Amino acid sequence: AQSVTQPDIHITVSEGASLELRCNYSYGATPYLFWYVQSPGQGLQLLLKYFSGDTLVQGIKGFEAEFKRSQSSFNLRKPSVHWSDAAEYFCAVDPLGSNYKLTFGKGTLLTVNP
Amino acid sequence: DAGVTQSPTHLIKTRGQQVTLRCSPKSGHDTVSWYQQALGQGPQFIFQYYEEEERQRGNFPDRFSGHQFPNYSSELNVNALLLGDSALYLCASSFVASRDEQFFGPGTRLTVL
Repeated sequence: AQSVTQPDIHITVSEGASLELRCNYSYGATPYLFWYVQSPGQGLQLLLKYFSGDTLVQGIKGFEAEFKRSQSSFNLRKPSVHWSDAAEYFCAVDPLGSNYKLTFGKGTLLTVNP
Repeated sequence: DAGVTQSPTHLIKTRGQQVTLRCSPKSGHDTVSWYQQALGQGPQFIFQYYEEEERQRGNFPDRFSGHQFPNYSSELNVNALLLGDSALYLCASSFVASRDEQFFGPGTRLTVL
């Protein structure tokens, strides 16, 4: 079955530390890939997306993600976390031929310690 | 630009009732998608409207229906509410001719008692 897996439910990091959030997908062909962030009481904000081409994608707020076809992964990274990055992060896929019929992972809650 | 707006912000209903949620897309967008986000879960795709027709649908029962108006705004209707329908309902808009970003609204929090 097609699915998106975010293995880490909750991650805690110290401010200034590096961050990596994991995402794996299971689809027949490489879908379009997205990372969204959701702060309490807010809607979803797009951090970055991968459609094709360069497998290292730069996004907003200093985030980047790397697509690895061999591992069916699209992990999100940030070299130095700020307290304002505390939020819930969702990986999502859009199967080829769809038009934003997104399937989301269950999310990873990020806590940032001062 | 107001972005995607949704109303109401919060709603409390009882089992068996019907509810209507509303969404206004971002200016210039013609496609509206609806998602249900249960507590502690990622959003789940309900359906998508374009040119006033349902174009794509997720795995939701017929109790969930929608409408899109000529001005591209949209409504989500849920009949015969169940406790399990309690969730944050998110609306998202996009422009069908472009793979540009899909924008999400802040959501409507529905509580079914």
